[in-house]
Amino acid sequence: GENVEQHPSTLSVQEGDSAVIKCTYSDSASNYFPWYKQELGKRPQLIIDIRSNVGEKKDQRIAVTLNKTAKHFSLHITETQPEDSAVYFCAAEGSGGSNYKLTFGKGTLLTVNP
Amino acid sequence: GAGVSQSPRYKVAKRGQDVALRCDPISGHVSLFWYQQALGQGPEFLTYFQNEAQLDKSGLPSDRFFAERPEGSVSTLKIQRTQQEDSAVYLCASREGDRSYEQYFGPGTRLTVT
Repeated sequence: GENVEQHPSTLSVQEGDSAVIKCTYSDSASNYFPWYKQELGKRPQLIIDIRSNVGEKKDQRIAVTLNKTAKHFSLHITETQPEDSAVYFCAAEGSGGSNYKLTFGKGTLLTVNP
Repeated sequence: GAGVSQSPRYKVAKRGQDVALRCDPISGHVSLFWYQQALGQGPEFLTYFQNEAQLDKSGLPSDRFFAERPEGSVSTLKIQRTQQEDSAVYLCASREGDRSYEQYFGPGTRLTVT
């Protein structure tokens, strides 16, 4: 089955700096890659996603890049703010059919210091 | 509109007790997923429904875990004879259907087995 590795496990940045989180996946048939933000005790919330027919997607301060050949994708947050502090999870979804389950990375605890 | 809701939010069970966790997906969402999230980890897939059909239960850890969605809307995850290793947050997610990739998560039920 799919395996998703996520790095780093913790990341501390100064407010205004950029943050980059990287993930690799094992199943070349995976075709959808969402990123979720989870604050302590809260539900995971989708912040950005990318499909396999696109190499990059941007939404204001957040961007995701995908390299299907190398089977890795990355989250980029620019001009970080204290409210960006949370745990971020990457995930990969299989090739569809009757199964759309997400396989998640172990998460990155991002701390933005004011 | 209303998001995914789950009840109870917190459940404490003595070892050996049975528990039932409820998920109310977003109205009209065809797909429903259950995930288990251990402390400090990413969510792990348990089972998947498309309408009332359980299409994938490969993530259920043992035959003590059972899920149903009899009318294709509300779902219940039942755990029989709970054990300490069952302690985790159980997340439910729903997805509109084939034309939408995003999975919307509920707030989760935190199960503690003592």
